[in-house]
Amino acid sequence: QVQLVQSGAEVKKPGASVKVSCKASGYTFTSYDINWVRQATGQGLEWMGWMNPNSGNTGYAQKFQGRVTMTRNTSISTAYMELSSLRSEDTAVYYCARSIAAAGIGADYWGQGTLVTVSS
Amino acid sequence: SYELTQPPSVSVSPGQTARITCSGDALPKQYAYWYQQKPGQAPVLVIYKDSERPSGIPERFSGSSSGTTVTLTISGVQAEDEADYYCQSADSSGTFVVFGGGTKLTVL
Repeated sequence: QVQLVQSGAEVKKPGASVKVSCKASGYTFTSYDINWVRQATGQGLEWMGWMNPNSGNTGYAQKFQGRVTMTRNTSISTAYMELSSLRSEDTAVYYCARSIAAAGIGADYWGQGTLVTVSS
Repeated sequence: SYELTQPPSVSVSPGQTARITCSGDALPKQYAYWYQQKPGQAPVLVIYKDSERPSGIPERFSGSSSGTTVTLTISGVQAEDEADYYCQSADSSGTFVVFGGGTKLTVL
């Protein structure tokens, strides 16, 4: 069965970076784009960007361009999302999700979420 | 930047029909996707490409599109359908993906 398993919760100080991993299983990792979505407590879903695991091509939401990097290691079927220059507003649950359409839209399987807390 | 607009809340009694709308200028050109999210859980895809239903999603969930508005319809609402619902689509160029602000469905 398809599974996306994310890394554990993180606590970071303002200005630091965080790297969240997303390990895929149950399907061919390089056949589907991975996208990243975040959700602050009590708020809505916010799309951050997508990555094609086969080519490594990426597309980022304007809000995160320059601060986010999405990469992958195909040998271990794992995607990564790194967010830099963290501020308190980045405190949120971060999800990876498998896309069923191109460029990060339409997600049929989701990871369990990773809570990132930014606090001094 | 591109935006999708949803009503903040919709309330219905059990057995009635709930309709949740999502408006955006690019919706005539881009497909919409709908997600259900319950507290403490990851979202679940309930409708893709405007009106297609993934396997395992009950038939009472349906989607439709008309001009710049797409609609998620839940027929015969059940208590378990109480959740937040989000639409998702892309801008006219297909470059940027956005979510609507979400609609809280309350089953009275």
